[in-house]
Amino acid sequence: DTAVSQTPKYLVTQMGNDKSIKCEQNLGHDTMYWYKQDSKKFLKIMFSYNNKELIINETVPNRFSPKSPDKAHLNLHINSLELGDSAVYFCASSPGTGWSETQYFGPGTRLLVL
Amino acid sequence: ILNVEQSPQSLHVQEGDSTNFTCSFPSSNFYALHWYRWETAKSPEALFVMTLNGDEKKKGRISATLNTKEGYSYLYIKGSQPEDSATYLCASDYNQGGKLIFGQGTELSVKP
Repeated sequence: DTAVSQTPKYLVTQMGNDKSIKCEQNLGHDTMYWYKQDSKKFLKIMFSYNNKELIINETVPNRFSPKSPDKAHLNLHINSLELGDSAVYFCASSPGTGWSETQYFGPGTRLLVL
Repeated sequence: ILNVEQSPQSLHVQEGDSTNFTCSFPSSNFYALHWYRWETAKSPEALFVMTLNGDEKKKGRISATLNTKEGYSYLYIKGSQPEDSATYLCASDYNQGGKLIFGQGTELSVKP
């Protein structure tokens, strides 16, 4: 029983394409997040949703658009992919947005843009 | 800009050694400090969340302390085992709706 799952695990695509990464959690959590692991290996938050409402929107190119059809799913759509988008993207969830709540991470999606 | 720093970046120890590493974070407006364990090709796994100055948490052979006044936390592993090999991440929380600021991690390798 995977708590936070992401699909696909690996994604290799050409520059200029549009792609989506899906995330699902079966923990009953209200809040979900997208993180990007940058070239220096830092995990940096991109977006978060609480009960389908966008609450964190970091400085991310507007080619990246999150969508939350329900509180168990948070998908990330990327338009016009660029070489610099190559990275590992992690989805996470937490019960709420409280300041001491543990975030539970998915396994990551490794995106390579050629 | 809030920066969280971890040291050392990597550490190689022998099985049975005890080890520790550091997480430094801005102490102003601080709310919580999270530690995660991240094995290669797996998801980061939560170890501890600490909030109060002087907090100490323990899970098996792993323990952590927190100093919120000076902005640091230590993670200790007693009697390291090869299965402890992983990257240990810390993240600070400033009560910004779940936004965690992560350090770069300390990569621990334990040789049998």
